Amino acid sequence: DQQVKQNSPSLSVQEGRISILNCDYTNSMFDYFLWYKKYPAEGPTFLISISSIKDKNEDGRFTVFLNKSAKHLSLHIVPSQPGDSAVYFCAASVQGGSEKLVFGKGTKLTVNP
Amino acid sequence: NAGVTQTPKFQVLKTGQSMTLQCAQDMNHEYMSWYRQDPGMGLRLIHYSVGAGITDQGEVPNGYNVSRSTTEDFPLRLLSAAPSQTSVYFCASRTGGGPGNQPQHFGDGTRLSIL
Repeated sequence: DQQVKQNSPSLSVQEGRISILNCDYTNSMFDYFLWYKKYPAEGPTFLISISSIKDKNEDGRFTVFLNKSAKHLSLHIVPSQPGDSAVYFCAASVQGGSEKLVFGKGTKLTVNP
Repeated sequence: NAGVTQTPKFQVLKTGQSMTLQCAQDMNHEYMSWYRQDPGMGLRLIHYSVGAGITDQGEVPNGYNVSRSTTEDFPLRLLSAAPSQTSVYFCASRTGGGPGNQPQHFGDGTRLSIL
């Protein structure tokens, strides 16, 4: 039973526009959420995280929003660039044990020039 | 700045063979983990370690052994390889220090095929 769900396998956007990647979770004990970016033949690279005590975290072009009541988080990339084309994984952990991450299946983002 | 180094990058085994996937990190991180990624799936935790001499099971531990004799190294052993263990294996590490949670840093993976 998937605890972290990324329901969109793929997303295509134009360069300069906003990319919005979504993630839902079922375990109410999750209190730390991360987004990883993965290029082919490479390991995942940490992008941004958010603790359950916050509802928004920004880092440059990347913003993560957390809606605890809906058990939903989203990653916004503004403006999108062709180099952002990659697979994005949402991950979650419980009680600070972030070596025990639960991952979604990923969303492949394609940013078209 | 090597980070997390995994060897080998590719390996083909026959069913029943054993082998060890190597993982080393040079960041003095306390925590290390092994994940596997199957096609169309997210990463799933196999085993993890919170420090030298301390290991524990993750979501999919069967068929794998780990040990942590040093802070730097965290090898993953396949005892008797099965086709179901064909996957991409990722090692990760993170520090326990600093404010709040710290993200994991991943190696580039070992692509393992079991025939």
